[in-house]
Order: sequence, then C-alpha cells, then structure tokens
Amino acid sequence: SQTIHQWPATLVQPVGSPLSLECTVEGTSNPNLYWYRQAAGRGLQLLFYSVGIGQISSEVPQNLSASRPQDRQFILSSKKLLLSDSGFYLCAWMRDTITGELFFGEGSRLTVL
Amino acid sequence: AQSVAQPEDQVNVAEGNPLTVKCTYSVSGNPYLFWYVQYPNRGLQFLLKYITGDNLVKGSYGFEAEFNKSQTSFHLKKPSALVSDSALYFCAVSPLNDYKLSFGAGTTVTVRA
Repeated sequence: SQTIHQWPATLVQPVGSPLSLECTVEGTSNPNLYWYRQAAGRGLQLLFYSVGIGQISSEVPQNLSASRPQDRQFILSSKKLLLSDSGFYLCAWMRDTITGELFFGEGSRLTVL
Repeated sequence: AQSVAQPEDQVNVAEGNPLTVKCTYSVSGNPYLFWYVQYPNRGLQFLLKYITGDNLVKGSYGFEAEFNKSQTSFHLKKPSALVSDSALYFCAVSPLNDYKLSFGAGTTVTVRA
C-alpha cells in the first residue's frame, strides 16, 4: 500500500532563517506531488505541484520554492522566512488524473517568530 | 478557473440527526468532485468522489453525496450523525483529467451528544 511521510511535524523558526520541509511517498511510482498551505485552520492554498522529477509548477508568487530531486521526494524551501509564512503545510500525492483524488500527509506546522 | 463554495462556516447537529454539508462548484466542462475530512492537526482524509455515473455516491464512514448538475451542487450527507463526525469538511473540484484540485474554505461540523 502507499504511504506518505512529512517531516518535521512541528517547526518554530525565527524570521529570516531558512526552511526545508520534506515529503516522501512510498509504494507508488511517478506520482503527481503537491504542496498546500492551510492558514488559520481553514482553506487550502495550492503552492506548488510537480508531475515529474525536476518539473515544478508554482501557483502563487511568494517567498517559497519547491524541488523534486527524486521521483517520490518533494521538498519545500525558503531562504529567508517571513512572519506570513506561518501555517500548516500539507504534502499530497495523486496517482493519476484519471482517478483524480489526492492523498495527504499528516502536515507540518510552521511558526515563524 | 474552477472554484468551490461552502456557504456554511459551521454546522451544528445533535447526535442521531441527519447531517448535511453544502457545496456548490464552478468548473469548465464536466467535474471531478470530492469530499475530504480533517481532524485537528491532521492531514485531510479522502471521503468520497464523483466522476461519472450514479448521482448518489457512497463513501467512507456512512457518508454519501449527491451530484446535481443543474444546481452545480455536491452536498455531503449522513443519515445519522455521530459525535465522532465532528471535524472540518472540505469540498473540492477539478476539471476532468486535470492535475489540480480547488478546495472550498471548509465547514466545521459539531455533533453534540
């Protein structure tokens, strides 16, 4: 069966520090991968998605970047965090666009102070 | 671009009563429609989806949803709510065979004993 792992689960970082959140998927190959941000426990904002190694699409211009160095690995990064980067970050994968559903990791809660 | 509206921020019901969470959508062409549930500080869990076929879709934990094309709605229902159904519920839509899901703002369901 397929599983998705995100880490760290919780992170407290000072303004201006770098960020790296990692996500890996097991039990499948060539998944579509996604990073969402959830602010204030409500709606989800799509930040990045990837349909293959090295292929990253950005949905919202911002202080963050994403990379996919391996087929089942998706990394969210920032060189200098802002207060507004605080939130709950969710990684997700999609098997294919025919089945269409996303499967989410457990999330990473980032607090920028 | 597609969008989802969940008109109620909060739904409160008594245990044993029927539960309905409303969702309307806008998309070009035929939609994929989804419902997800989120418990505090957790990732989203897939409940059910509509792609084609019968307008009444059955999903996990006794939930079902009815697709209504003329009203562009996909309301989530459960005949008899449980206290354990208390959570945040998200409706999502994507065009057929598309990589990206758009999520509603979420509806908080509280089931009182």
